[in-house]
Amino acid sequence: EVQLLESGGDLVQPGGSLKLSCAASGFTFSTYAMSWVRQAPGKGLEWVSTFTGTGGYTFYAASVKGRFSISRDNSNNTLFLHMSSLRAEDTAVYYCAKESAAAGTPIFDSWGQGALVTVSS
Amino acid sequence: DILMMQSPATLSVSPGERATLSCRASQSVSSKLAWYQQKPGQAPRLLIYGASTRATGIPARFSGSGSGTEFTLTINSLQSEDFAVYYCQQYNSWATFGQGTRLEIK
Repeated sequence: EVQLLESGGDLVQPGGSLKLSCAASGFTFSTYAMSWVRQAPGKGLEWVSTFTGTGGYTFYAASVKGRFSISRDNSNNTLFLHMSSLRAEDTAVYYCAKESAAAGTPIFDSWGQGALVTVSS
Repeated sequence: DILMMQSPATLSVSPGERATLSCRASQSVSSKLAWYQQKPGQAPRLLIYGASTRATGIPARFSGSGSGTEFTLTINSLQSEDFAVYYCQQYNSWATFGQGTRLEIK
């Protein structure tokens, strides 16, 4: 059974930084693309970033490019999201999501329970 | 970016009846369309991908259709556990989601 467990969500001031982690189990982590998808309170879903399972490519939504950095540790089956220069509009639940393939097919077939990031002074 | 538009925003249907949800893309996404279900306080769950293929473990009462820019999610014989928010998502060019349709009990 696929399990994804996010951690690291917190209250942070505008301009601050935060690092989210996602511990994965139940599948061969290194062979799948992994993504972060966020959901602002009461709003819809927004894709944030992807790290491919092959080639080590990273992709970002325009809204976070240059401020967020995605990384992964295949030896420990963990995905990370480093967030900096945080803004109020980054406030959201951040979901870790497994894609259905190594790259190029962002179908999110498994999701974590989410980590809440609140950006406020 | 490809915009995804869902209608209606809220759909009221009685248990046992059929629900039909629509999703329109601002440009063709071929059949690269997925549907997700989200219940309050829970993560989304993949229902349909490739516009019409049910994900593992999804009941047969859920079906998807369409291609290009027009898509439909149909839920037959609505069960109590089906009342939730449904999102469509295109994956032809990156990934973008619709704003969601709330399916509520009539």
